[in-house]
Amino acid sequence: GIQVEQSPPDLILQEGANSTLRCNFSDSVNNLQWFHQNPWGQLINLFYIPSGTKQNGRLSATTVATERYSLLYISSSQTTDSGVYFCAVYSGNTPLVFGKGTRLSVIA
Amino acid sequence: NAGVTQTPKFQVLKTGQSMTLQCAQDMNHNSMYWYRQDPGMGLRLIYYSASEGTTDKGEVPNGYNVSRLNKREFSLRLESAAPSQTSVYFCASSEPSGRAYEQYFGPGTRLTVT
Repeated sequence: GIQVEQSPPDLILQEGANSTLRCNFSDSVNNLQWFHQNPWGQLINLFYIPSGTKQNGRLSATTVATERYSLLYISSSQTTDSGVYFCAVYSGNTPLVFGKGTRLSVIA
Repeated sequence: NAGVTQTPKFQVLKTGQSMTLQCAQDMNHNSMYWYRQDPGMGLRLIYYSASEGTTDKGEVPNGYNVSRLNKREFSLRLESAAPSQTSVYFCASSEPSGRAYEQYFGPGTRLTVT
């Protein structure tokens, strides 16, 4: 089945810093989603981005489907950005396969 | 719209006990899913239902059964709970058309088996 690798596994930032999270996948995909799991465990949809670039406030994402990777950019990070960021892909008839996530800690 | 709801939020079971986790969605989605999340891991698919009347196994189905009760509701049953089933369980739904298979998640059920 498709493999999803996320890097880095852990990231510590000072408030106000920028960061880039990466998601590599091993096969072509129909769907790619980025989620934020907040410290209370809730999974929040950030982006639905099988290809191209999208922006939502301080967050943006780019997926280069032909090269099988996606990037999530967080600018001017805030403490509320802390949590785990997951990339998940849908390939062919296989429901979402998740990476293991990047744990982000933003320190004031 | 409530989106995807799950009950209960927390549950403690003794080994061998049974229970059913309930999930409902009000977005008129055709597809529904059950995942489990263990510490330091992403979510792993247990079972899914592509449409009303169908269910299929995911990556980790052993020890679980599911029922797609109607288009809105999808339940997960543990017949004889084991400590290895201690986890957080998430239900999700999606619609195959439009934004293909974009999934929306419920708040989760935290289950502890002692």
